[in-house]
Order: sequence, then C-alpha cells, then structure tokens
Amino acid sequence: GEDVEQSLFLSVREGDSSVINCTYTDSSSTYLYWYKQEPGAGLQLLTYIFSNMDMKQDQRLTVLLNKKDKHLSLRIADTQTGDSAIYFCAEIPYSGAGSYQLTFGKGTKLSVIP
Amino acid sequence: EAQVTQNPRYLITVTGKKLTVTCSQNMNHEYMSWYRQDPGLGLRQIYYSMNVEVTDKGDVPEGYKVSRKEKRNFPLILESPSPNQTSLYFCASGDSGAEAFFGQGTRLTVV
Repeated sequence: GEDVEQSLFLSVREGDSSVINCTYTDSSSTYLYWYKQEPGAGLQLLTYIFSNMDMKQDQRLTVLLNKKDKHLSLRIADTQTGDSAIYFCAEIPYSGAGSYQLTFGKGTKLSVIP
Repeated sequence: EAQVTQNPRYLITVTGKKLTVTCSQNMNHEYMSWYRQDPGLGLRQIYYSMNVEVTDKGDVPEGYKVSRKEKRNFPLILESPSPNQTSLYFCASGDSGAEAFFGQGTRLTVV
C-alpha cells in the first residue's frame, strides 16, 4: 500500500527557518497536504499543493514538491515558539474519480527553542 | 463559522458497553471520514463516506460501524468497545479534495 514517511523530530531556534521533509510512494498522488496539530487539539490544514505544481508559497510557509523523487517539504520562515507542534504530511493517492482517502505520515514534532 | 463538531470530547467507558461518537459539519461537504490516532502509529482511517448512504471501510474498520443518513452527520458506533479501541478519534470532512477540516478530537478510554 501507499506509505508516507517523515522524520519524527526537529528542533530549531526561534527566528531560524524550519524545513520539514516528507517522502511518499504513490506517484499518482493528486494532492499533498501539510497539517499542524498543537497539543490537545485537532488537525489544522496549513496548506496543500496539487501534484502538477513545484512550489507554493503562503506567507511564512513554502511548500516544495519534487515529483521525480516523491519528496515534499514544508519550510517555515522566521520560526516562532507558536509554531511548536506536530506537522503531518498527507497525500491522496489516486484511486478513481472523487476519491478522498488521505494517507498520513506519522508526524514530525517541531520544537522551537527560544 | 465553518467547523466539524465532535461529541463527546472525552469519554471513559467499560468494555462491551455500546457507545456512539457524533460528528457534525456545517459546510455541506459530501465527504466525511473517521480516523484514530495512536502513539507511534500516526493517523489511520477507520471509515469514510462519499455521500449520504454511501460508506466504505478505511484501513482499520474492525470493531466500528458508521452511518450516513444525513449529509451533515457521520456518527461512529462502537457496538462492543474493547481496551484496544482506547485512542484519540478524529472526524473530518471535505469536498473538492483540496481541503479537509478536522474536528477537535474525542479521547476515548475503554477499561
């Protein structure tokens, strides 16, 4: 089946950039997502990218997609303590029209050091 | 405000006592799903629904039931809960495939 891999932990200093990486196996994935989960809270959709795009920028967030290597990254510029959370990468593998089954990575815990 | 609402947020129950976790969305989304989140295992999909009266199994459906009688509601039913169903449960909804909204989660403990 499909698999989404992420490193489990990342520590950065406040003000630095954070880069969270993700690899996926299904080359037919249509959408790729980044979610943020703060302690005790649900998942919050941060951003997403269509599989025919290479890059998407949204304020402090930059998503890069390397489709050849099946590699997705999330860069957070000027990381703040409020960015400390678990970040999940997710994909929708293509399995027919109207299919919305998300496959999640196990999440990367980002710790921001003041 | 667009939201997915789950109830209850916290539940402790005993083995074998049937329970239902409700999920409601106010965005007229066709697609709804349930996930469980466990340490070291990430998020795993239990069931999903593409529309009213259309449901299908996800990755870990055993021990769960769902129903989709109305577009806005997608309850998760545990007919005979067991301790291995102790977990954090999330309901989600979406429409175009480009967005998915998650509820705040239901922490279930089965003793």
